[in-house]
Amino acid sequence: GIQVEQSPPDLILQEGANSTLRCNFSDSVNNLQWFHQNPWGQLINLFYIPSGTKQNGRLSATTVATERYSLLYISSSQTTDSGVYFCAVHPWGSNYQLIWGAGTKLIIKP
Amino acid sequence: NAGVMQNPRHLVRRRGQEARLRCSPMKGHSHVYWYRQLPEEGLKFMVYLQKENIIDESGMPKERFSAEFPKEGPSILRIQQVVRGDSAAYFCASSSGASDEAFFGQGTRLTVV
Repeated sequence: GIQVEQSPPDLILQEGANSTLRCNFSDSVNNLQWFHQNPWGQLINLFYIPSGTKQNGRLSATTVATERYSLLYISSSQTTDSGVYFCAVHPWGSNYQLIWGAGTKLIIKP
Repeated sequence: NAGVMQNPRHLVRRRGQEARLRCSPMKGHSHVYWYRQLPEEGLKFMVYLQKENIIDESGMPKERFSAEFPKEGPSILRIQQVVRGDSAAYFCASSSGASDEAFFGQGTRLTVV
């Protein structure tokens, strides 16, 4: 089955720094979503982005489906950005089951 | 527009008891999914349901686990005779269509003692 790999696995930054998180997938996908799981365990939808670029405030995401990767950019990090960022994909031909990466654990220090 | 509602948030069961987890999808959503998350891992698909139908339960253990989404009321994930290995966070998601954006509830954290 499809493999979803996220990098880096861990990232520690100072408040105000910028970061780029990467998601590689091994096969074609219908759709891709980015989530933030906060320290309380809640999953928050960030982007629904099968292709192209989207922006929402300090966050933006780009998916290049033909090259099988997506990037999540966080600018001017705040302590509330801490948590785990997950990428999840709908594999082509199995378009309801989300396959998840292992996540990037982000810690923003004040 | 309320989001996906799960209850309870936390559930403690002794080995051998039954656990019942509930999920009300977002208004207008007829597709419900259950996922399980172990510590330090991503989520793993368990089951996909539409009203009164199980579409795909390939990710759910064959024994002790069952799911339903009745015509009226919430979706229920039922775990019979729980064991310590069932301890995990169980998330429910809903969407308006099969490949549309999925929205997740806050999860139920099951602890088996």
